[in-house]
Amino acid sequence: NAGVTQTPKFRVLKTGQSMTLLCAQDMNHEYMYWYRQDPGMGLRLIHYSVGEGTTAKGEVPDGYNVSRLKKQNFLLGLESAAPSQTSVYFCASSVTGGHINSPLHFGNGTRLTVT
Amino acid sequence: AQSVSQHNHHVILSEAASLELGCNYSYGGTVNLFWYVQYPGQHLQLLLKYFSGDPLVKGIKGFEAEFIKSKFSFNLRKPSVQWSDTAEYFCAVNRDQAGTALIFGKGTTLSVSS
Repeated sequence: NAGVTQTPKFRVLKTGQSMTLLCAQDMNHEYMYWYRQDPGMGLRLIHYSVGEGTTAKGEVPDGYNVSRLKKQNFLLGLESAAPSQTSVYFCASSVTGGHINSPLHFGNGTRLTVT
Repeated sequence: AQSVSQHNHHVILSEAASLELGCNYSYGGTVNLFWYVQYPGQHLQLLLKYFSGDPLVKGIKGFEAEFIKSKFSFNLRKPSVQWSDTAEYFCAVNRDQAGTALIFGKGTTLSVSS
């Protein structure tokens, strides 16, 4: 039981390049999330999904797109990377929303640098 | 706009000192409240949670938090910290309804010296 797995762990991009971060969970969780963590800013929600085929915007969605074609996977895309997107990205999942007795399970993070 | 405020950016304590980290939120209505901890080099882990009932909740490793509805607060406490408590602590809140997501505060870095 791997929990929440993020790939890749590290990535360096040049401004304007595109990439996709993959998050996979094997716990059959309905909800999945992408957060970014920046020093002094805490974790900010980018996008989330309440089930297969659904997505919703979080606090800082601009510059990112997501897809949840399969229940176990949640992809985060950067179409044209900018230095402001240099961050550590965390994926998380939970059984349900509302979070009653349903804590978030986090992946180990992806460290992205955009030069 | 919804927000979660953590008052202390960086707290430095000696071992055995008492700890209190402040957290306030700005939602109305019913909320679920959480504290998460991130040890150096690791991902976030749940420390404790409140969703109803006794406003004083106890978590792992001797931590507790008190929900004061009238003050929109959920402060984290520990009577005697240890060096191993050195970590970043995040308060998080979400509205008690389906389809909502957890919103985090900016975090408080706790440094404990032995």
